[in-house]
Amino acid sequence: GEDVEQSLFLSVREGDSSVINCTYTDSSSTYLYWYKQEPGAGLQLLTYIFSNMDMKQDQRLTVLLNKKDKHLSLRIADTQTGDSAIYFCAETFMNRDDKIIFGKGTRLHILP
Amino acid sequence: GAVVSQHPSWVICKSGTSVKIECRSLDFQATTMFWYRQFPKQSLMLMATSNEGSKATYEQGVEKDKFLINHASLTLSTLTVTSAHPEDSSFYICSAPPGTSGYNEQFFGPGTRLTVL
Repeated sequence: GEDVEQSLFLSVREGDSSVINCTYTDSSSTYLYWYKQEPGAGLQLLTYIFSNMDMKQDQRLTVLLNKKDKHLSLRIADTQTGDSAIYFCAETFMNRDDKIIFGKGTRLHILP
Repeated sequence: GAVVSQHPSWVICKSGTSVKIECRSLDFQATTMFWYRQFPKQSLMLMATSNEGSKATYEQGVEKDKFLINHASLTLSTLTVTSAHPEDSSFYICSAPPGTSGYNEQFFGPGTRLTVL
C-alpha cells in the first residue's frame, strides 16, 4: 500500500541546519513534494523533485532523494525563526491518476 | 484520529453546469477548513479557507464567484464550482488544520476528482 512516514517533531537551534526526513513505501511515485504550513495558514509548496532526480537545491533548501531506500529529506540551511512551521512531504503517482499522499507532517521548533 | 470525508469522490459533468463538493468532519467540529486544488501532475494549490459563520478567505487569483465556499456548520464545508468548464477539471481536496480537530496534526479529505466535459 501507499504510506508516507515522517517524525512528528524536530528541534533545531537558530543558525544550524535542519534536516527533515520522510520515508515512503510505494516507489512508483512521479513527484515528491515538500510543503510548509505556518500556524493558522494552509499548505504552501516549498519545493518538489521529480522521481528520477537525486538532488535539488533552491537557495537555503536542499532536497535529497534516495530511491533505493525510499527516503526523501529536506535540509534547511541557516535555520531562522521564520522557518518554524509544520513540514509535509507528499508524493503523487502518475499511473494512479495523480493521487497525492501526504505524510503527517514534522513540526519544526527553533531554539534561540 | 479524526476523519475528514468528501463527497462525491468523483464527478463528471457537462460544461456550464454547477457542481457541489461536500467536505465533512466526521468525529470532530471544524471551525476552519482549507480547500486545495491539484492540477494534473502538479502540486497542491491552496484556493481558500472556509470559516464557520463567516465568509471564506480566498487566495489571490481564485475567483470568488466561480468557486463558492460555504461553511454551513461545524461539520460541513462545501465548495461549489459554478458554470464549470473543462479547465476546472481537477482534483479538489479539503483539510482540517492542526488544532481544529483537537489534534495537533492536519487531516486531509480523500479528494474529489472533477471532470468537466
